[in-house]
Amino acid sequence: AQRVTQPEKLLSVFKGAPVELKCNYSYSGSPELFWYVQYSRQRLQLLLRHISRESIKGFTADLNKGETSFHLKKPFAQEEDSAMYYCAPRTSGTYKYIFGTGTRLKVLA
Amino acid sequence: GAVVSQHPSRVICKSGTSVKIECRSLDFQATTMFWYRQFPKQSLMLMATSNEGSKATYEQGVEKDKFLINHASLTLSTLTVTSAHPEDSSFYICSASQARETQYFGPGTRLLVL
Repeated sequence: AQRVTQPEKLLSVFKGAPVELKCNYSYSGSPELFWYVQYSRQRLQLLLRHISRESIKGFTADLNKGETSFHLKKPFAQEEDSAMYYCAPRTSGTYKYIFGTGTRLKVLA
Repeated sequence: GAVVSQHPSRVICKSGTSVKIECRSLDFQATTMFWYRQFPKQSLMLMATSNEGSKATYEQGVEKDKFLINHASLTLSTLTVTSAHPEDSSFYICSASQARETQYFGPGTRLLVL
């Protein structure tokens, strides 16, 4: 069965510290991997996707097919990064996401 | 960027009544719209996928007669919760996509059934 795991429900780090939000997936085929973010009182929005190999707001994510992981990283966390983050694989060529349970990131001053 | 709206943002209804939630893409034509349900402190669960002018495709375990989805135009999809019961209380989120590109999410509708 398709499954995505975000082991941490809550991650608290101090401002300026590195942050890593973990995502592991179990998926048939070759999924596309995405990270979505939801800031307080805002709607869910796309943060980044693995095929773009981009860095958005200082965040990067590397797809590790051997470990079936797609961890989200940022070297220096900022207070405005505090939000709910969802890892979401999508079957290549389709629209369907499977959302992880999410990790709430709190960046402390 | 692309904007998706939902109306109403929150609704309270009595058990047994039906509730309609609208999802609109404001500045683009959405070939596909999606409806999700989110329980407190849980993830988004896809309920159904709708394409303009055709019947919605429901995920396993979602009652199509209870959650009626209509996608009458390229900018509007509606979700009707029929004969609502307290267990239908939840946060309903729609998203819209154009030609398999990024999904843009609405702000969600909180439904409370008394």
